[in-house]
Amino acid sequence: EAGVVQSPRYKIIEKKQPVAFWCNPISGHNTLYWYLQNLGQGPELLIRYENEEAVDDSQLPKDRFSAERLKGVDSTLKIQPAELGDSAVYLCASSRDSRGTQYFGPGTRLTVL
Amino acid sequence: GQQVMQIPQYQHVQEGEDFTTYCNSSTTLSNIQWYKQRPGGHPVFLIQLVKSGEVKKQKRLTFQFGEAKKNSSLHITATQTTDVGTYFCAGPGTGNQFYFGTGTSLTVIP
Repeated sequence: EAGVVQSPRYKIIEKKQPVAFWCNPISGHNTLYWYLQNLGQGPELLIRYENEEAVDDSQLPKDRFSAERLKGVDSTLKIQPAELGDSAVYLCASSRDSRGTQYFGPGTRLTVL
Repeated sequence: GQQVMQIPQYQHVQEGEDFTTYCNSSTTLSNIQWYKQRPGGHPVFLIQLVKSGEVKKQKRLTFQFGEAKKNSSLHITATQTTDVGTYFCAGPGTGNQFYFGTGTSLTVIP
């Protein structure tokens, strides 16, 4: 069974530029999560999807961040415009349902210069 | 808001010594999950505890869920260098929001 796939693995951009991250969850997993992880800290939930519906986006900075999960499978997280403080690892995870084990992708390490 | 704290934040042990990390939530958790993240890697699921007072073992690892379902612990017996990494507890709180703990970074000195 293939794991959670994320791309790109690394991204370096200048501030004020847009950036997008892509996630392909494990087949059959209804729940998809996007997390932000700063160095030395635990993952912080940005948004959670149940199928194509965003059921928890309370921690998503909606002025610059947006996400979508069309057809309830792949998901994209976008930042526009990026700020220096957005430099972090963006992790995608999926699970069968909202209480199940989460399987994480390798993450995208974003550096904003 | 809900907080999930772990102590200690860092732990250095000599190989062969035991290690314990403690997880405390400000609210009751319906279940507690533990993850391990190797340096440069991503969190990997270790185990899930659901019942109050539940204890589970995986080889040298012992996991416990508190009676009030607000705290948990992970104990590693006779640490090995392969145990190096950061251990996170996590769980769904009120409103099904999912929270990760602050993590405990374990260094094992050979």
